[in-house]
Amino acid sequence: GESVGLHLPTLSVQEGDNSIINCAYSNSASDYFIWYKQESGKGPQFIIDIRSNMDKRQGQRVTVLLNKTVKHLSLQIAATQPGDSAVYFCAENSGYSTLTFGKGTMLLVSP
Amino acid sequence: DGGITQSPKYLFRKEGQNVTLSCEQNLNHDAMYWYRQDPGQGLRLIYYSQIVNDFQKGDIAEGYSVSREKKESFPLTVTSAQKNPTAFYLCASTGLAGGRELFFGEGSRLTVL
Repeated sequence: GESVGLHLPTLSVQEGDNSIINCAYSNSASDYFIWYKQESGKGPQFIIDIRSNMDKRQGQRVTVLLNKTVKHLSLQIAATQPGDSAVYFCAENSGYSTLTFGKGTMLLVSP
Repeated sequence: DGGITQSPKYLFRKEGQNVTLSCEQNLNHDAMYWYRQDPGQGLRLIYYSQIVNDFQKGDIAEGYSVSREKKESFPLTVTSAQKNPTAFYLCASTGLAGGRELFFGEGSRLTVL
């Protein structure tokens, strides 16, 4: 598969634990944020998004928290499973036509 | 099923050759994007197109070219002018403004020999 995870920050957890992946964004004018999951050799998959007028949004087993004061975004995964092992990217949109992506965090889940 | 199809998945090229990566979507999305991904790096934008017959350069457009003759198709040509073309290339599309909810293809891995 693709070596997208080389030199990335890595979070190692045990199966069943909760995981928290953090992301610092750069533009205080950004009004939309999104998390993607990328498995080895595949394209990124949408997980969850949040607009800047919210500070929390929940999905199935995932929660995104937004702290605009410190420009920080986090993704919480409940009851982490081996299938959650992947690289996770945050991205921001500041009103232009594209997203700006972070470098990613590798999540490793041990059975 | 609706989605984005990239081809080929793996491609090898000799130095000095141009290659074209295909991206086709049947999602009826107006906007399409090409990103480059290197190990340990985030995604970097090469080109994007918000409408047929129109496209804009992204952050790393040098050495690449695109066309958007049809809504469904957004091919990327990696030219011999691209100094370091070995990378994983991702195509994406969205029907929303601002690049929101990008839907990605499975990627094409280009290796220059």
